Parts: sequence; C-alpha cells; structure tokens
Amino acid sequence: KNQVEQSPQSLIILEGKNCTLQCNYTVSPFSNLRWYKQDTGRGPVSLTIMTFSENTKSNGRYTATLDADTKQSSLHITASQLSDSASYICVVSAYGNQFYFGTGTSLTVIP
Amino acid sequence: NAGVTQTPKFRVLKTGQSMTLLCAQDMNHEYMYWYRQDPGMGLRLIHYSVGEGTTAKGEVPDGYNVSRLKKQNFLLGLESAAPSQTSVYFCASSFLASGQSYQPQHFGDGTRLSIL
Repeated sequence: KNQVEQSPQSLIILEGKNCTLQCNYTVSPFSNLRWYKQDTGRGPVSLTIMTFSENTKSNGRYTATLDADTKQSSLHITASQLSDSASYICVVSAYGNQFYFGTGTSLTVIP
Repeated sequence: NAGVTQTPKFRVLKTGQSMTLLCAQDMNHEYMYWYRQDPGMGLRLIHYSVGEGTTAKGEVPDGYNVSRLKKQNFLLGLESAAPSQTSVYFCASSFLASGQSYQPQHFGDGTRLSIL
C-alpha cells in the first residue's frame, strides 16, 4: 500500500534553533518527493521537489534530503523564525501523476 | 498575478442542498486538481483535469462532480450535500511536467464548507 508517514506529529522549538522533520514513504514506482509549507488558514506552498537522483536540495533556510534506498526524507530548518510556525507536508509522487500526502508535522516556533 | 483563487471562502449548507465551488488560475496551467483536507488526514484527491474539457476521478470522487469548460477554471459541484462532506476544499494547478523537470502544484487558500 502506498503510504507517506511523517514524524513527529508536532514540534515546539525556540526561535533561532534548528530542527529536522522526517518523512518515510512506501510509494512505488517513485517519481519525486515534495515538501510543502502550509500556514494556518492558507493553502500549501511548495518548498522543494526532489527526484531519486537528488539527495539534497535547499531553499533558503530549508534543506531537504532524500535517501531513495531507505525511502526516507528529511526537512531541516536552520535558525528558525516565528514565521516558520506552520504545518509541513511531505508529498510523494508516483509515475502517472499520482500524489500521496503525509498528514504533516505541525511546527510551533516560540520566542 | 493572483495565482489560484477559490470562491467562496466559507459556506454553510443544509443537508441535501447543492452548490458549486469555483477555482480560477491565471498561470496558464494545464493541470488542475480538487482536494479535500480533513483533520488528521493528508489531502485527498477528489477529481483532477489534465486540460480543458477533460476530467478524471481521484481517490474520493463519490458525491462530487467537476467541469473544466475553460482552461483557467475548474468547478467542483456537490449535488446533494451530506454532513460527511464537511471539509476544507483546496484547488491546485500546475504545468505539465517536462522531462525531469517536475512542476510544483500551486494551491488556493481553500473553501471551508460546513454541512449541517
């Protein structure tokens, strides 16, 4: 069964600290993996897209990694800011334009 | 550019009523999607379209119909609303993927729908 699991479910960190969010998947055949940020009351916004040949991709303070062998990805946030408070969603795409969404990690950054 | 615009933003319906949710995009995207987002669950695909005049079923299509008469618009209809359709509905659009260049989905800000 194609599934995407994210951990932790929620996370609270102090402003300025780093954090790492995890995503494990069982989607096959794998096409690409995406990370989205969803602010409360808004739609998801794309952060990164990685194919199986890419093992790291950055977008500002966000760095995503992908291990296609172990089917794991992580999203590392450096020097967190209050505006990073959001839900972070991992999405794995299978060939044929199919997308499998994780349930997200809710991140709260406190001053 | 406005991106992806969804109307209305909020709506309350009674069981059995019908309504149409409108999604409009101004990015000339070929693909458009309708999702629903429920607490504790990932976004689930209702219907999608790969171009004007074409639609296809997603993971949870029952109780919904769609139409894409114009490339920039994608309509989601509820013929007879049920309480189980209470949810937040998101529309998304994207370009067709080209080779190894995968395109991100651009999402609207959602329609919050309550069925009483």
